[in-house]
Amino acid sequence: DAKTTQPPSMDCAEGRAANLPCNHSTISGNEYVYWYRQIHSQGPQYIIHGLKNNETNEMASLIITEDRKSSTLILPHATLRDTAVYYCIVSRGNYGQNFVFGPGTRLSVLP
Amino acid sequence: EAGVAQSPRYKIIEKRQSVAFWCNPISGHATLYWYQQILGQGPKLLIQFQNNGVVDDSQLPKDRFSAERLKGVDSTLKIQPAKLEDSAVYLCASSVRLAGGDTQYFGPGTRLTVL
Repeated sequence: DAKTTQPPSMDCAEGRAANLPCNHSTISGNEYVYWYRQIHSQGPQYIIHGLKNNETNEMASLIITEDRKSSTLILPHATLRDTAVYYCIVSRGNYGQNFVFGPGTRLSVLP
Repeated sequence: EAGVAQSPRYKIIEKRQSVAFWCNPISGHATLYWYQQILGQGPKLLIQFQNNGVVDDSQLPKDRFSAERLKGVDSTLKIQPAKLEDSAVYLCASSVRLAGGDTQYFGPGTRLTVL
């Protein structure tokens, strides 16, 4: 599975959009981009995933560049409860796939 | 829909003792995973089951760790004997195929402290 690169930490003001970048320059054509987050003392929580097209759900938006070598997770109106470690993972869409977690980005939402 | 259940939530043992963790996946999820998460790091896969068969256990320290998934539902992970470096959070996840790729859902984890 392809490796990802994320900034170790970011700050965001409450109520503003949080834009979390991820580089995955070695992604292959059949690999998806997944985003999870982990709030302190909890298990990772699924946020969103995509292959080529931009995706949006009730939690966030995922923007994938045309060459698929990078992506951005957007939390449109960050709240204090969005403070967490955010993981970007690339993985094949096969049943029973193996996720490889990096250290992620620690997002701090500031009042 | 109930999430992935794990127990116990916390466990403290002394080195060389044995310990077991239990996981109940989301109903209908055929694939189950055990991860180890050391403080400050991302989760690392230990073992992956498809129904009651092992798909990947390449990163499981088999001299001390074992896992089973009887009847393709619940699973247990055992450590015997425990070492200090086994102190970590042990996460269980199960997955289902959504439109385009599997999505894994994680339990709250069991925090193990080995003294």
